Amino acid sequence: QKEVEQDPGPLSVPEGAIVSLNCTYSNSAFQYFMWYRQYSRKGPELLMYTYSSGNKEDGRFTAQVDKSSKYISLFIRDSQPSDSATYLCAISPRAGGTSYGKLTFGQGTILTVHP
Amino acid sequence: NAGVTQTPKFRVLKTGQSMTLLCAQDMNHEYMYWYRQDPGMGLRLIHYSVGEGTTAKGEVPDGYNVSRLKKQNFLLGLESAAPSQTSVYFCASSYERFNAFFGQGTRLTVV
Repeated sequence: QKEVEQDPGPLSVPEGAIVSLNCTYSNSAFQYFMWYRQYSRKGPELLMYTYSSGNKEDGRFTAQVDKSSKYISLFIRDSQPSDSATYLCAISPRAGGTSYGKLTFGQGTILTVHP
Repeated sequence: NAGVTQTPKFRVLKTGQSMTLLCAQDMNHEYMYWYRQDPGMGLRLIHYSVGEGTTAKGEVPDGYNVSRLKKQNFLLGLESAAPSQTSVYFCASSYERFNAFFGQGTRLTVV
């Protein structure tokens, strides 16, 4: 079983829609939960991160973690064509384990926001 | 300030040839990573390092070797290239375990 699973989509939405992206993970030993954004032919860039259950908001973006169900989500409000990209969730284990320092990504979801 | 630099950016190899991909970072980061990205597969971790002189296996280590003799450099080696290793390779480094900076990628084709 992969440590983190993500629906690859693709996902196509009209401008202004609310987008919901989701991942599940398998091990409760993970500490950091991240979302990266990758534009075509570029390297990924960190969008948001969190290390506890609950919500974290940054402008139009909200990251949500539910550790009890091992579920992480990213919501994009008022989506724009410039949000069109691949979104990847990522996880990193807490200190002290054998996998300390490991950074594992989901498969990525390709999002297209059309005008 | 260059960030993370990967060399080369493009390469075509024949089956059985060897090569080394170089990743250099100028941010004094402890953690460094090598990933491959294939369509529909996301980023798959090949090997990673938590500090100078250390390396560890990721999800798909077979056919690759790595070395981190200097803190700023992380080398990925292919001893005998196979067509299945055709991919885009990304190197990343991070100071904390949640904010990785990526290079521009190396597009490798094995024929």
